[in-house]
Amino acid sequence: KAGVTQTPRYLIKTRGQQVTLSCSPISGHRSVSWYQQTPGQGLQFLFEYFSETQRNKGNFPGRFSGRQFSNSRSEMNVSTLELGDSALYLCASSSGQGVYGYTFGSGTRLTVV
Amino acid sequence: AQTVTQSQPEMSVQEAETVTLSCTYDTSESDYYLFWYKQPPSRQMILVIRQEAYKQQNATENRFSVNFQKAAKSFSLKISDSQLGDAAMYFCAYRSHNSGNTPLVFGKGTRLSVIA
Repeated sequence: KAGVTQTPRYLIKTRGQQVTLSCSPISGHRSVSWYQQTPGQGLQFLFEYFSETQRNKGNFPGRFSGRQFSNSRSEMNVSTLELGDSALYLCASSSGQGVYGYTFGSGTRLTVV
Repeated sequence: AQTVTQSQPEMSVQEAETVTLSCTYDTSESDYYLFWYKQPPSRQMILVIRQEAYKQQNATENRFSVNFQKAAKSFSLKISDSQLGDAAMYFCAYRSHNSGNTPLVFGKGTRLSVIA
């Protein structure tokens, strides 16, 4: 069974640009969550999608958005990039409520210069 | 809001020895789930062990076991017979059961080094 796949693995962008990150969940998993990981703030929840609907959102500005497709693949978009957006972005999938744990991908390392 | 605290930013253990990582959490809920995740240099978060709050019995997975003290809101992870491959960041996480779609809440992590 393939794991959670995130692309790209690394990304370098310039301030003011926008970026799109992709996440393919485990087959059969309908829930996809996104987290931002930084040395200072740790792991912070961005949003969760279930069956193409956003059902939870963290405390991030509107520049961070996401969506989920009918095949459960998810994308997150960050517009007008700031230096502080440099982080590891992790995607996690689960079969439903996540009470049995989430399966994470290896993340996308975004560097904003 | 729930919070998770890991008071040990770094720890080290000799190979084959036992180490315990601490985690405390704050919640007013009675039904929830607790997890320990491991993040090696490959960056992927790997689920190590899971505990359901309504179960008094401590969870065990091979060399990994927990000491779950619900009244004290403590959830420590014990790693027995430590191996070089156990070196990683370890994160404690909380998930509410009653609130439906709440996300995982993570602690800041403990970096574990294993000395050969």
